[in-house]
Amino acid sequence: EIVLTQSPGTLSLSPGERATLSCRASQSVTSNYLGWYQQKPGQAPRVLIYGASSRVTGIPDRFSGSGSGTDFTLTISRLEPEDFAVYYCQQYGSSPWTFGQGTKVEIK
Amino acid sequence: VQVVESGGDLVQPGGSLRLSCAASGFTFTSYWMTWVRQAPGKGLEWVANINQDGSAKNHADSVKGRFTISRDNTKNSLFLQMSSLRDDDTAVYYCARWNFCMDVWGQGTTVTVSS
Repeated sequence: EIVLTQSPGTLSLSPGERATLSCRASQSVTSNYLGWYQQKPGQAPRVLIYGASSRVTGIPDRFSGSGSGTDFTLTISRLEPEDFAVYYCQQYGSSPWTFGQGTKVEIK
Repeated sequence: VQVVESGGDLVQPGGSLRLSCAASGFTFTSYWMTWVRQAPGKGLEWVANINQDGSAKNHADSVKGRFTISRDNTKNSLFLQMSSLRDDDTAVYYCARWNFCMDVWGQGTTVTVSS
């Protein structure tokens, strides 16, 4: 099973600042099959990125994904008030699929 | 395009429950489907997935032998049959469409396992 470790656990930033979230895999993720999800309290998750760097239709371009192999990054270029949420990475290159434990982006 | 879960309930340890997910607005038979759960205050956990015609299924080790994913393409419905339920199965269970990512999610249905 591929273990995904996200860091930091919590990121305290102000609106307008840049957020950099890390997701590290215990072994290489096949074909960079990694996605990023955003979840707000009381809501279902929403997909942002798939294939490590492909933005889902309708997701603002301030969200970008990068990385390969075992190291992946989600970058939010300028935080908007609605971006404060929990973010999860998820790999689907190997069964069982796994999620990271999440990074909470909170208002500083 | 939506999926709507139902069937969550309060059940005693060792009991059984069947969750349903009704899909609409898209061609159900074209997509893998998946179940994901979230325990109270915890992160997301992938539970199971199934291919378009139901011939391929995968389950997380934590539920293998106790939970079974299935689908009825004539009714555009996905199911999760759960048995031998344990306290740590308490969670919100989400149904999601798989399209190189989980791109359509339901609102979730709550399963509480408690005596």
